[in-house]
Amino acid sequence: GAVVSQHPSWVICKSGTSVKIECRSLDFQATTMFWYRQFPKQSLMLMATSNEGSKATYEQGVEKDKFLINHASLTLSTLTVTSAHPEDSSFYICSARPPGTVNSPLHFGNGTRLTVT
Amino acid sequence: AQSVTQLDSQVPVFEEAPVELRCNYSSSVSVYLFWYVQYPNQGLQLLLKYLSGSTLVKGINGFEAEFNKSQTSFHLRKPSVHISDTAEYFCAVREAAGNKLTFGGGTRVLVKP
Repeated sequence: GAVVSQHPSWVICKSGTSVKIECRSLDFQATTMFWYRQFPKQSLMLMATSNEGSKATYEQGVEKDKFLINHASLTLSTLTVTSAHPEDSSFYICSARPPGTVNSPLHFGNGTRLTVT
Repeated sequence: AQSVTQLDSQVPVFEEAPVELRCNYSSSVSVYLFWYVQYPNQGLQLLLKYLSGSTLVKGINGFEAEFNKSQTSFHLRKPSVHISDTAEYFCAVREAAGNKLTFGGGTRVLVKP
């Protein structure tokens, strides 16, 4: 089945540094990937839609300059949290859907837990 | 815009007892409905989905859900739970013509021996 891989699974960084999270579709090409954020004991909130070869579409309230998204190939999207602060600590999850399967559900990565100290 | 409400934030249940997780949604257009399960520090795994057709949908791990259009509900059930069913469960909705998946707040199921 379709597999989405995220790396790293967890990361600890110091305040003010930047962190890059990778999301790969292992056995299919994804023109669109989605980035979600999940606070402890809360639901998933869509942050942005990553589009291969074009700019990402951000949800209202999500800072574009803080959460940089790059979708340079059909199998890789990256989320960079710039100048991270403790309030950015969260669980970040990416997802994707194989092309030509508009009725199919999204496949999710295993998430990345970011802790900013 | 669509929204999803999961009425119970937490459901404790004894092993081998039945469980029902409630989900209601609102949307002005046709939607697809999903239930996902999340184990600690992991991503989401699809349990089942409703796209069209039969309103009773069977999924993995013995779960099933029933789509009720008049009540705009998509409740999840399992007749007999196991300890391993302890997890967070999310109901989600997506407009049939759209791309965005909207999640409910989640229901934490705690199965007790």
